[in-house]
Amino acid sequence: EVHLVESGGGLVQPGGSLRLSCAASGFAFSYSWMYWVRQSPGRGLVWVSHINSDGSATTYADSVKGRFTISRDNAKNTLYLQMSSLRAEDTAVYYCARVTTSGWQIDYWGQGTLVTVSS
Amino acid sequence: QSALTQPASVSGSPGQSITISCTGTSSDVGRYNYVSWFQQHPGKAPKLIISDVNKRPSGISDRFSGSKSGNTASLTISGLQAEDEADYFCSSYTTSRPVVFGGGTKLTVL
Repeated sequence: EVHLVESGGGLVQPGGSLRLSCAASGFAFSYSWMYWVRQSPGRGLVWVSHINSDGSATTYADSVKGRFTISRDNAKNTLYLQMSSLRAEDTAVYYCARVTTSGWQIDYWGQGTLVTVSS
Repeated sequence: QSALTQPASVSGSPGQSITISCTGTSSDVGRYNYVSWFQQHPGKAPKLIISDVNKRPSGISDRFSGSKSGNTASLTISGLQAEDEADYFCSSYTTSRPVVFGGGTKLTVL
């Protein structure tokens, strides 16, 4: 059974940094593209970043470009999101999600981790 | 403000059918068949119920069906059951980014 478990969320001050992790199990992680998606009450669900199977290709939403970095460790079956220069508008539940083999669509989500940016 | 437009809420009685719409543009829903629907119960991870506009993953009841016309995709749930009460949201591939989402629709089973 596919399992995605996020961790690393919490309260951080504006301008601070945080690293999220997503532990994957139950599937061939090293062959899967992955997304980070966030959800906040005012903005709904928003795609944040994508990474291909070997980590050689990444893309970002304009709102996080230059501040967030997606990466993965296929030996540890773990996806990461390094977030820096955090702003209040980054406050959200962050989900990792697996991309289908047919491309671009999500077939599995984690349960999410809450990031709160506030002083 | 979400990229895809869904009604905030719908309701129906047990046994009835309901339809949830998901309206996008010619750059997303209207152009690609990469439309998905998800069900999310409170505190739970979203669950894929429809992909590629109208394909059900293994284990998903045939009471769930999807369709698309122009820039609008639709999810129909027939034979409503109490356990169908949840939030539902759509997603689509788009020319400008890998995926955009609807704002979500809260289904109430009366």
